[in-house]
Amino acid sequence: DSGVTQTPKHLITATGQRVTLRCSPRSGDLSVYWYQQSLDQGLQFLIQYYNGEERAKGNILERFSAQQFPDLHSELNLSSLELGDSALYFCASSVNVGGPETQYFGPGTRLLVL
Amino acid sequence: GENVEQHPSTLSVQEGDSAVIKCTYSDSASNYFPWYKQELGKGPQLIIDIRSNVGEKKDQRIAVTLNKTAKHFSLHITETQPEDSAVYFCAASKGYGGSQGNLIFGKGTKLSVKP
Repeated sequence: DSGVTQTPKHLITATGQRVTLRCSPRSGDLSVYWYQQSLDQGLQFLIQYYNGEERAKGNILERFSAQQFPDLHSELNLSSLELGDSALYFCASSVNVGGPETQYFGPGTRLLVL
Repeated sequence: GENVEQHPSTLSVQEGDSAVIKCTYSDSASNYFPWYKQELGKGPQLIIDIRSNVGEKKDQRIAVTLNKTAKHFSLHITETQPEDSAVYFCAASKGYGGSQGNLIFGKGTKLSVKP
């Protein structure tokens, strides 16, 4: 158990809908990273938040957005869903006091868009 | 941007044999190289990592080597056991001061250890 929690574990929805994925980082970790894992693209970085502020962006679509709240939990919002958005979504957390640090991954949310 | 290539994509070994997975990276500014193990239905789990100021690191049956000049790093698993069967990912990052710490992953290696 990494200490990172994600809800829900599974999500089935229809094209055009909007969903929210939630992540709680390990106690004391200030950074949250979101990654998407699909069969064709592998594990890809989406976005990073550090202590409530957006810190880095990767291959995140404009239909996707995220935020980190004062209690440090984070939410990833996916809107106007398409079939191709079906994937595993992971969040990871790290302490981030400077320099490269270990990222601990949550169990993921499996999203299926029908 | 950074690109990480990983080989082989699948690897089958007999229990007790060694397994080696190799990765190359493109950005010489990368300074952190973790390896993750992912079992079916679970999130990636860190098994070992190495920073650019170190050439080799070992933890029991697992070792990682880094060649900064050639920009490649490798995972070595000795005395493999059936429970080592999983997908292994290498990654690279160039985090400084809390930013740009995002990981760039290889495509993964599916390791099968036959009893």
